Amino acid sequence: GAVVSQHPSWVICKSGTSVKIECRSLDFQATTMFWYRQFPKQSLMLMATSNEGSKATYEQGVEKDKFLINHASLTLSTLTVTSAHPEDSSFYICSARVGSGPTQYFGPGTRLTVT
Amino acid sequence: AQTVTQSQPEMSVQEAETVTLSCTYDTSESNYYLFWYKQPPSRQMILVIRQEAYKQQNATENRFSVNFQKAAKSFSLKISDSQLGDTAMYFCAFMKSISNQFYFGTGTSLTVIP
Repeated sequence: GAVVSQHPSWVICKSGTSVKIECRSLDFQATTMFWYRQFPKQSLMLMATSNEGSKATYEQGVEKDKFLINHASLTLSTLTVTSAHPEDSSFYICSARVGSGPTQYFGPGTRLTVT
Repeated sequence: AQTVTQSQPEMSVQEAETVTLSCTYDTSESNYYLFWYKQPPSRQMILVIRQEAYKQQNATENRFSVNFQKAAKSFSLKISDSQLGDTAMYFCAFMKSISNQFYFGTGTSLTVIP
């Protein structure tokens, strides 16, 4: 099956700094990628929809200036957490859509810890 | 708005037995998909089974099958011959055909007891 990778898998950063998370579709092109946030023992919450070559669409309540999303190519989307705070510590997961149908593949996730 | 409800936070089942996980959803959409995803301790989301809303026949995938009741907006997952490797968090998810955005339930933590 198709593979989606995320890098890094785990990152620790200091409060006030920015951190970038990459999501790559390794063997297919993804016109649409999605970013989710998952707190411990909770469900996945959609943060934003990322379309190649256009601005991301953010869900209500998600600060677009804090969570910068760039989808520069058909195989790469990045999520940058700017001026990170301890409350941003979470598990971030991306998914990539295959073609125009409902099939999506999930990345393995990135654990962000802000100290 | 779409909502997905999983009323069983935790469940357990003896190895080789059968277990059913419940899921209900609310939507005004007519075209949509329903999914069950498994999230083991590795946190990798793994697709278990998918159901198209326009199909009346319940989806099956080896030991996994669903009971899709469209009028009741119910979508339960049956796991037969449970195996230790089935231990994981299970999420029910709804997807609108037009947007391809997932809406996940709160999850059911399943433990298979040897």
